[in-house]
Amino acid sequence: AQSVTQLGSHVSVSEGALVLLRCNYSSSVPPYLFWYVQYPNQGLQLLLKYTSAATLVKGINGFEAEFKKSETSFHLTKPSAHMSDAAEYFCAVTESNFGNEKLTFGTGTRLTIIP
Amino acid sequence: DGGITQSPKYLFRKEGQNVTLSCEQNLNHDAMYWYRQDPGQGLRLIYYSQIVNDFQKGDIAEGYSVSREKKESFPLTVTSAQKNPTAFYLCASSSRSGGADTQYFGPGTRLTVL
Repeated sequence: AQSVTQLGSHVSVSEGALVLLRCNYSSSVPPYLFWYVQYPNQGLQLLLKYTSAATLVKGINGFEAEFKKSETSFHLTKPSAHMSDAAEYFCAVTESNFGNEKLTFGTGTRLTIIP
Repeated sequence: DGGITQSPKYLFRKEGQNVTLSCEQNLNHDAMYWYRQDPGQGLRLIYYSQIVNDFQKGDIAEGYSVSREKKESFPLTVTSAQKNPTAFYLCASSSRSGGADTQYFGPGTRLTVL
């Protein structure tokens, strides 16, 4: 069965500092991995996804994530935090085998930007 | 503009009442999903539908019901059997279910039981 663990339910960084949000996954077959962002009282918006092409995936708003099979990780990074990055971030996994329709989400990491 | 609409944005219900949440998409997607979001628990799948007139239970289907009579519509009914219905409900769709296809989300409906 697939699962996702997001380390740190709350992360605070200073404006201009590196953002690092951690995601580890468990999957019995090669996974597809996603990062979504949610602003208060809104739906989720896709930041980026890994679909077994390049292991370094670039997304919107300057975010990127690297798929590391040996570490079963898909951490999200941004070199320089901006105030507008304050939001909740969700990592999600689905499996590449036919017949698995479920997207499993982590419990989320709330990112706070300190001016 | 293509997208997913959910209505209403806020909904209040008295205990013992059924209530229906609307979800419409004009993306021509085959698959649609309903999730429940509670603080600190992420998103949990309630029901999903891969095609018109077909749907499957997700992880927390008890106390909920759905229908899929049209491709663009996937309403969710929260019944009086749902013991703790106060939550934020999100609808999503994708071109097909599973795999690498992105799920696109609506803006959500916040349901409060009084």
